[in-house]
This record gives sequence, C-alpha cells and structure tokens, in this order.
Amino acid sequence: GAVVSQHPSWVICKSGTSVKIECRSLDFQATTMFWYRQFPKQSLMLMATSNEGSKATYEQGVEKDKFLINHASLTLSTLTVTSAHPEDSSFYICSARDRTASNQPQHFGDGTRLSIL
Amino acid sequence: AQKITQTQPGMFVQEKEAVTLDCTYDTSDPSYGLFWYKQPSSGEMIFLIYQGSYDQQNATEGRYSLNFQKARKSANLVISASQLGDSAMYFCAMRELYNTDKLIFGTGTRLQVFP
Repeated sequence: GAVVSQHPSWVICKSGTSVKIECRSLDFQATTMFWYRQFPKQSLMLMATSNEGSKATYEQGVEKDKFLINHASLTLSTLTVTSAHPEDSSFYICSARDRTASNQPQHFGDGTRLSIL
Repeated sequence: AQKITQTQPGMFVQEKEAVTLDCTYDTSDPSYGLFWYKQPSSGEMIFLIYQGSYDQQNATEGRYSLNFQKARKSANLVISASQLGDSAMYFCAMRELYNTDKLIFGTGTRLQVFP
C-alpha cells in the first residue's frame, strides 16, 4: 500500500489563484520531505527540501515566494503555489523516506497535475 | 557535481524477452546509493531496486536486477521476461549517503513492450 499520500491528484484553476498541495507520510515520521516538478516528457527536477520545524531549502532558480513550503508536523508537508500562472502548470510530486530503517528508498506520492487556465 | 546519465530515450522489447536499460553516474563521494524507479503513464513513481556503493553483490528484486559496474560507474537495470505492463518510463537516480536524502534523476528511458 501507499506509504506517501499526496492530495489533490488534479487541480484546474484560474490564473492568479493560489493552490495548496499536501504530502503526508503514512505509518512513519518524516523530518525531511522533497518536492519535485516534472514537465511533460522530462525528468523530475528537485524544487526544494522540506524540513520539519524549520525553513525549506530551495534549489537554485526556484522562487521561494512563489512556492511556499510548510512542514509543520512530522507527517505533513504542504506546497503552495502562490498566484499561479499558466507557466506554473506542471506535475508536482513529493517524496519522503523512513529513516528509521536502513537503505529505505524514497517513496513518492502519486503526484498532482496542476493546470492553470 | 553528481550527475546521472541515461543515454537511451526509448527502448523496444518483445514480450518475454529481457531488456537492459543503461545508466551511468558521476560522483566524487565514495558512499552513494543508486535507485531505479518506474513511472507509468498515470504518473506515480514506483521504486524497483536499490544498490549501495559498498554492496558486494548486484541487487536483484524478482524480475529486476541491477548490473553494477563500479569501476565503470554504471548501474544498468535488467528486466527479465518482459511483460506488457512493464511499458513505462524508467528513471535511474542517485543519492549521496553522507549528504541529505536528495535524489538526482537521469532523463529517463521510455520502454515499450510489444506482444
């Protein structure tokens, strides 16, 4: 069964709207979660590392004010795309790892397809 | 800087045959982990197999095996007895063990299995 849950699966909204995406670790605590972005027919690009109880670490070129990340609990990270525009349309996917077990892989949510009209 | 290279944009294989998907990597860290993920058209990322840099034996998981050639810095995925359901994108990824848990992904290989 899924170990990382992501919601919603699909979002279609108007330009200028802010959209929140949730990522939850199931059955384990995740002090760190990761947010990726994937354009059609391309690879996953890491956007930021979400750190529980502290600020997220953003990759170079990712706008902090555009992509707000909050990791308020050990099982939940949220990504908010603020004032979304058509160029923000993409597939967003999160991941987390159960660090209590050695050599555990990153498990991914099912992703969120965001379409900005 | 670490880097993952997948040189095959697409591969075709007949059902029940074996196929090898190539992956080469570059890192200056002696400790790292290599992963393969499958991404069907529905989008989810499915973990397939893991190889640690210090593992002596090649990893195997059912029909998946990893041909780990450390000196060549390659970690090719071998899928035996291909099934129609294996048609998907396949991504190779690397994690530096003494760094964060960040994964760096290759560009992927689209595998098409035909009857």
